[in-house]
Amino acid sequence: GNSVTQMEGPVTLSEEAFLTINCTYTATGYPSLFWYVQYPGEGLQLLLKATKADDKGSNKGFEATYRKETTSFHLEKGSVQVSDSAVYFCALPGSNAGNMLTFGGGTRLMVKP
Amino acid sequence: DAGVIQSPRHEVTEMGQEVTLRCKPISGHNSLFWYRQTMMRGLELLIYFNNNVPIDDSGMPEDRFSAKMPNASFSTLKIQPSEPRDSAVYFCASTLRGNYGYTFGSGTRLTVV
Repeated sequence: GNSVTQMEGPVTLSEEAFLTINCTYTATGYPSLFWYVQYPGEGLQLLLKATKADDKGSNKGFEATYRKETTSFHLEKGSVQVSDSAVYFCALPGSNAGNMLTFGGGTRLMVKP
Repeated sequence: DAGVIQSPRHEVTEMGQEVTLRCKPISGHNSLFWYRQTMMRGLELLIYFNNNVPIDDSGMPEDRFSAKMPNASFSTLKIQPSEPRDSAVYFCASTLRGNYGYTFGSGTRLTVV
């Protein structure tokens, strides 16, 4: 079935550093791909999504490109801030009928001033 | 829309007591999901409903856990009797279609002492 693998954390960066969090997927067809963010003490929020191959999702300075050749959807940001410290989850629809999403294990990002 | 609403935000209870967590999904969404999140096990899907019908409850840890969705605007997750290992953050999420992504509630932090 559909699955997603993302890099384990924590990822620790200094403010203004470049961020990449890797996500690769296995899927039947070309489902939508998602990145969710969870700030401390809060629920998961949709950060960005891409609905088809070669699409680029973007939000709050974060970007991810749907690459079917490498089955990847890596999350990037050119200059991170302390406020970006959170856990990031990659996700895609499950392969079963229905509306389920399959989530990666999450990557914790810590940004130091 | 007010988003997915969960109550209570925090619950502290004694071992052996019954606990009921509540969720109001976004109006018009037809799928609802209950998740549990802990540091050790990450984000776990407990059960999900389509059109108020439970579709997959294979994630429910044991018979002490039960979930209901009596109508399209309300769901409960009940633990009876509660145990200290049930301490976690419980999230509810809803969606109209998996390809649209989920909207999560803010979660209920449950502590069983």
